[in-house]
Amino acid sequence: GAVVSQHPSRVICKSGTSVKIECRSLDFQATTMFWYRQFPKQSLMLMATSNEGSKATYEQGVEKDKFLINHASLTLSTLTVTSAHPEDSSFYICSARRTGTGRYEQYFGPGTRLTVT
Amino acid sequence: AQTVTQSQPEMSVQEAETVTLSCTYDTSESDYYLFWYKQPPSRQMILVIRQEAYKQQNATENRFSVNFQKAAKSFSLKISDSQLGDAAMYFCAYRSASSVVEGGSEKLVFGKGTKLTVNP
Repeated sequence: GAVVSQHPSRVICKSGTSVKIECRSLDFQATTMFWYRQFPKQSLMLMATSNEGSKATYEQGVEKDKFLINHASLTLSTLTVTSAHPEDSSFYICSARRTGTGRYEQYFGPGTRLTVT
Repeated sequence: AQTVTQSQPEMSVQEAETVTLSCTYDTSESDYYLFWYKQPPSRQMILVIRQEAYKQQNATENRFSVNFQKAAKSFSLKISDSQLGDAAMYFCAYRSASSVVEGGSEKLVFGKGTKLTVNP
């Protein structure tokens, strides 16, 4: 149990377009999901915390209008990169906290590689 | 704010031998969780082991064990009988044990990682 999926696994888009990444908890409900960004050979940097039914909480320095997060259900959160630019190319990872269990339980998705040309 | 430091960008070990990865952290909180995550080339983050700060006993998961020194704010990972499949990036992470309502945070704070190579 506790599987998190991401779709797509990789995407290439043109500069100026928007791309949506989905994060789903497949076999559990997740009140809280997290979005991370990882540059090559670097660590994970938290972008935002997504709470079901409410606005996401963004980390300092992350543009809210550029990285739109929606957590419309207990099993789905989406990250939309709007007006993408080459510098947005990165590996995006989501994680989900299982509702009702220990506070430390956080499960990671397999990640999405975004390339903006 | 909490910080996590991994001072070894790269480490290598011979197959079947033991290696220890270092991690130090800084926090003013008394209750928290510490984790080691493994990220193989597939990029899937895998939880290796976790430690609750209020527990004095070091956590152990099969070949993986930690040396948790709360006063020194040190949390090292020991991998025994290293296997080729252990080759990966290893990240140390910190998480507050307090809920958001209590003034804590659910977010994980990661170190920069240590790349482990296992030589046959």
